[in-house]
Amino acid sequence: DTGVSQDPRHKITKRGQNVTFRCDPISEHNRLYWYRQTLGQGPEFLTYFQNEAQLEKSRLLSDRFSAERPKGSFSTLEIQRTEQGDSAMYLCASSLARPQANVLTFGAGSRLTVL
Amino acid sequence: KQEVTQIPAALSVPEGENLVLNCSFTDSAIYNLQWFRQDPGKGLTSLLLIQSSQREQTSGRLNASLDKSSGRSTLYIAASQPGDSATYLCAVPTSGTYKYIFGTGTRLKVLA
Repeated sequence: DTGVSQDPRHKITKRGQNVTFRCDPISEHNRLYWYRQTLGQGPEFLTYFQNEAQLEKSRLLSDRFSAERPKGSFSTLEIQRTEQGDSAMYLCASSLARPQANVLTFGAGSRLTVL
Repeated sequence: KQEVTQIPAALSVPEGENLVLNCSFTDSAIYNLQWFRQDPGKGLTSLLLIQSSQREQTSGRLNASLDKSSGRSTLYIAASQPGDSATYLCAVPTSGTYKYIFGTGTRLKVLA
Protein backbone atom coordinates (compact mmCIF):
# COMPACT_ATOMS: atom_id res chain seq x y z
CA ASP A 1 0.00 0.00 0.00
CA THR A 2 1.50 3.29 -1.12
CA GLY A 3 -0.53 5.69 0.98
CA VAL A 4 -3.53 7.85 0.19
CA SER A 5 -4.13 8.39 -3.52
CA GLN A 6 -6.11 11.23 -5.02
CA ASP A 7 -7.24 11.62 -8.59
CA PRO A 8 -7.04 13.77 -10.59
CA ARG A 9 -4.14 15.82 -9.27
CA HIS A 10 -5.19 18.84 -11.27
CA LYS A 11 -8.53 19.80 -12.77
CA ILE A 12 -9.33 22.91 -14.77
CA THR A 13 -12.98 23.44 -15.54
CA LYS A 14 -15.35 26.14 -16.66
CA ARG A 15 -17.83 27.69 -14.30
CA GLY A 16 -21.05 25.73 -14.17
CA GLN A 17 -19.50 22.34 -14.92
CA ASN A 18 -19.57 19.40 -12.52
CA VAL A 19 -16.36 17.85 -11.23
CA THR A 20 -15.65 14.71 -9.24
CA PHE A 21 -12.60 13.84 -7.19
CA ARG A 22 -11.67 10.39 -6.02
CA CYS A 23 -9.74 9.36 -2.92
CA ASP A 24 -8.34 5.90 -2.22
CA PRO A 25 -7.34 5.66 1.44
CA ILE A 26 -4.86 3.34 3.07
CA SER A 27 -6.60 -0.01 2.91
CA GLU A 28 -6.94 -0.73 6.62
CA HIS A 29 -8.03 2.82 7.50
CA ASN A 30 -11.72 3.09 8.32
CA ARG A 31 -11.90 6.88 8.72
CA LEU A 32 -11.73 9.14 5.69
CA TYR A 33 -11.71 12.94 5.66
CA TRP A 34 -12.14 15.64 3.03
CA TYR A 35 -10.65 19.10 3.50
CA ARG A 36 -10.43 22.18 1.29
CA GLN A 37 -7.42 24.48 1.37
CA THR A 38 -6.96 27.86 -0.25
CA LEU A 39 -3.68 29.73 -0.60
CA GLY A 40 -2.19 30.80 2.69
CA GLN A 41 -4.85 29.12 4.79
CA GLY A 42 -5.01 25.94 6.81
CA PRO A 43 -7.19 23.07 5.61
CA GLU A 44 -10.92 23.62 6.19
CA PHE A 45 -12.93 20.60 7.26
CA LEU A 46 -15.59 19.50 4.77
CA THR A 47 -16.75 16.05 5.86
CA TYR A 48 -15.66 12.73 7.27
CA PHE A 49 -16.67 9.09 7.17
CA GLN A 50 -16.25 6.12 9.42
CA ASN A 51 -16.51 3.13 7.12
CA GLU A 52 -19.40 4.02 4.81
CA ALA A 53 -21.21 6.28 7.30
CA GLN A 54 -20.85 10.04 6.80
CA LEU A 55 -20.48 11.26 10.39
CA GLU A 56 -20.40 14.99 9.89
CA LYS A 57 -20.69 17.51 7.10
CA SER A 58 -19.52 21.11 7.39
CA ARG A 59 -21.88 23.99 6.79
CA LEU A 60 -19.21 25.10 4.31
CA LEU A 61 -20.40 22.21 2.17
CA SER A 62 -23.32 23.70 0.28
CA ASP A 63 -25.90 21.57 -1.47
CA ARG A 64 -23.68 21.68 -4.56
CA PHE A 65 -21.17 19.45 -2.76
CA SER A 66 -21.72 15.78 -2.09
CA ALA A 67 -19.40 13.08 -0.82
CA GLU A 68 -19.85 9.34 -0.78
CA ARG A 69 -18.01 6.31 0.44
CA PRO A 70 -20.30 3.55 -0.78
CA LYS A 71 -18.41 0.46 0.33
CA GLY A 72 -16.29 1.95 3.06
CA SER A 73 -13.24 1.97 0.82
CA PHE A 74 -12.67 4.75 -1.75
CA SER A 75 -14.58 8.03 -1.59
CA THR A 76 -15.74 10.58 -4.13
CA LEU A 77 -16.34 14.29 -3.71
CA GLU A 78 -18.56 15.85 -6.34
CA ILE A 79 -19.05 19.55 -6.91
CA GLN A 80 -21.99 20.50 -9.09
CA ARG A 81 -22.34 23.78 -10.99
CA THR A 82 -18.84 24.90 -10.04
CA GLU A 83 -18.18 28.52 -9.14
CA GLN A 84 -14.91 30.44 -9.20
CA GLY A 85 -14.91 30.43 -5.41
CA ASP A 86 -14.60 26.65 -5.49
CA SER A 87 -11.04 26.97 -6.79
CA ALA A 88 -8.88 25.36 -4.12
CA MET A 89 -6.86 22.30 -3.22
CA TYR A 90 -9.09 19.43 -2.10
CA LEU A 91 -7.30 17.19 0.35
CA CYS A 92 -8.23 13.70 1.44
CA ALA A 93 -6.90 12.02 4.56
CA SER A 94 -7.47 8.66 6.19
CA SER A 95 -6.83 7.20 9.62
CA LEU A 96 -7.53 4.28 11.87
CA ALA A 97 -10.42 4.62 14.30
CA ARG A 98 -8.27 3.76 17.32
CA PRO A 99 -7.65 6.70 19.68
CA GLN A 100 -4.01 5.75 20.15
CA ALA A 101 -3.34 5.40 16.46
CA ASN A 102 -5.48 7.84 14.52
CA VAL A 103 -2.70 9.73 12.79
CA LEU A 104 -4.11 11.46 9.74
CA THR A 105 -2.37 10.43 6.53
CA PHE A 106 -2.96 12.87 3.70
CA GLY A 107 -2.93 12.43 -0.04
CA ALA A 108 -1.17 14.86 -2.35
CA GLY A 109 -4.42 16.69 -3.04
CA SER A 110 -6.52 17.55 -6.07
CA ARG A 111 -6.13 21.12 -7.27
CA LEU A 112 -9.26 22.62 -8.81
CA THR A 113 -9.23 25.73 -10.97
CA VAL A 114 -12.59 27.10 -12.06
CA LEU A 115 -12.38 29.58 -14.93
CA LYS B 1 -16.74 25.43 18.68
CA GLN B 2 -13.06 24.60 18.40
CA GLU B 3 -10.81 27.40 17.17
CA VAL B 4 -7.11 26.98 16.54
CA THR B 5 -4.57 29.80 16.36
CA GLN B 6 -0.92 29.55 15.37
CA ILE B 7 1.70 32.13 16.19
CA PRO B 8 3.81 33.41 14.55
CA ALA B 9 2.29 33.35 11.08
CA ALA B 10 5.76 33.46 9.53
CA LEU B 11 9.27 33.04 10.81
CA SER B 12 12.67 33.43 9.21
CA VAL B 13 15.74 32.20 11.08
CA PRO B 14 19.40 31.46 10.28
CA GLU B 15 20.46 27.85 10.04
CA GLY B 16 21.31 26.22 13.35
CA GLU B 17 18.86 28.12 15.50
CA ASN B 18 16.48 26.41 17.87
CA LEU B 19 12.93 27.61 17.46
CA VAL B 20 9.46 27.29 18.93
CA LEU B 21 6.16 27.31 17.10
CA ASN B 22 2.97 27.89 19.03
CA CYS B 23 -0.53 26.49 18.71
CA SER B 24 -3.48 27.45 20.91
CA PHE B 25 -6.97 26.02 20.94
CA THR B 26 -10.21 27.02 22.64
CA ASP B 27 -11.79 23.67 23.57
CA SER B 28 -9.53 21.60 25.80
CA ALA B 29 -11.69 18.43 25.71
CA ILE B 30 -9.48 16.78 23.11
CA TYR B 31 -8.22 13.25 22.56
CA ASN B 32 -4.98 14.33 20.98
CA LEU B 33 -3.24 17.00 18.92
CA GLN B 34 -1.32 16.52 15.71
CA TRP B 35 1.46 18.53 14.08
CA PHE B 36 1.99 18.47 10.32
CA ARG B 37 4.42 19.83 7.80
CA GLN B 38 3.35 21.07 4.38
CA ASP B 39 5.70 21.88 1.52
CA PRO B 40 4.43 24.36 -1.13
CA GLY B 41 1.79 22.85 -3.37
CA LYS B 42 1.90 19.50 -1.59
CA GLY B 43 -0.20 17.53 0.85
CA LEU B 44 0.44 17.38 4.58
CA THR B 45 2.96 15.11 6.24
CA SER B 46 2.36 13.99 9.81
CA LEU B 47 5.15 14.92 12.20
CA LEU B 48 3.89 14.10 15.68
CA LEU B 49 0.72 12.97 17.38
CA ILE B 50 0.53 13.76 21.08
CA GLN B 51 -2.18 12.10 23.15
CA SER B 52 -4.17 14.05 25.71
CA SER B 53 -2.56 12.01 28.50
CA GLN B 54 0.94 12.92 27.33
CA ARG B 55 2.82 16.09 27.97
CA GLU B 56 5.53 15.60 25.34
CA GLN B 57 6.34 13.65 22.23
CA THR B 58 9.67 13.57 20.46
CA SER B 59 10.84 12.59 17.00
CA GLY B 60 14.43 13.34 16.07
CA ARG B 61 15.00 17.08 16.30
CA LEU B 62 11.31 17.73 16.91
CA ASN B 63 9.63 17.91 20.29
CA ALA B 64 5.95 18.69 20.81
CA SER B 65 4.46 19.57 24.16
CA LEU B 66 0.83 19.75 25.17
CA ASP B 67 -0.83 21.65 27.99
CA LYS B 68 -4.50 20.80 27.73
CA SER B 69 -5.62 22.92 30.63
CA SER B 70 -4.24 26.09 29.08
CA GLY B 71 -5.16 25.07 25.52
CA ARG B 72 -1.62 25.23 24.19
CA SER B 73 0.91 23.18 22.32
CA THR B 74 4.40 24.03 21.18
CA LEU B 75 6.57 22.47 18.52
CA TYR B 76 10.26 22.81 19.25
CA ILE B 77 12.71 22.38 16.38
CA ALA B 78 16.33 21.96 17.39
CA ALA B 79 19.29 22.96 15.23
CA SER B 80 17.16 24.11 12.31
CA GLN B 81 18.24 23.30 8.74
CA PRO B 82 17.26 24.79 5.37
CA GLY B 83 15.37 21.55 4.67
CA ASP B 84 13.05 22.40 7.56
CA SER B 85 11.63 25.30 5.53
CA ALA B 86 7.93 24.60 5.15
CA THR B 87 4.56 25.47 6.69
CA TYR B 88 3.85 23.83 10.02
CA LEU B 89 0.25 23.18 10.98
CA CYS B 90 -1.38 21.91 14.12
CA ALA B 91 -4.73 20.12 14.18
CA VAL B 92 -7.06 19.54 17.11
CA PRO B 93 -10.33 17.60 17.20
CA THR B 94 -13.56 19.23 18.25
CA SER B 95 -15.00 18.07 21.55
CA GLY B 96 -16.07 14.44 21.55
CA THR B 97 -15.37 13.89 17.88
CA TYR B 98 -12.55 13.06 15.50
CA LYS B 99 -13.29 16.07 13.32
CA TYR B 100 -9.92 17.83 13.18
CA ILE B 101 -9.69 21.60 12.97
CA PHE B 102 -6.49 23.13 11.63
CA GLY B 103 -4.71 26.34 12.41
CA THR B 104 -3.58 28.62 9.59
CA GLY B 105 0.01 27.48 10.03
CA THR B 106 3.42 29.00 10.58
CA ARG B 107 5.53 29.51 7.45
CA LEU B 108 9.12 28.77 8.38
CA LYS B 109 12.13 29.76 6.34
CA VAL B 110 15.56 28.60 7.49
CA LEU B 111 18.35 30.54 5.83
CA ALA B 112 21.61 28.82 4.89
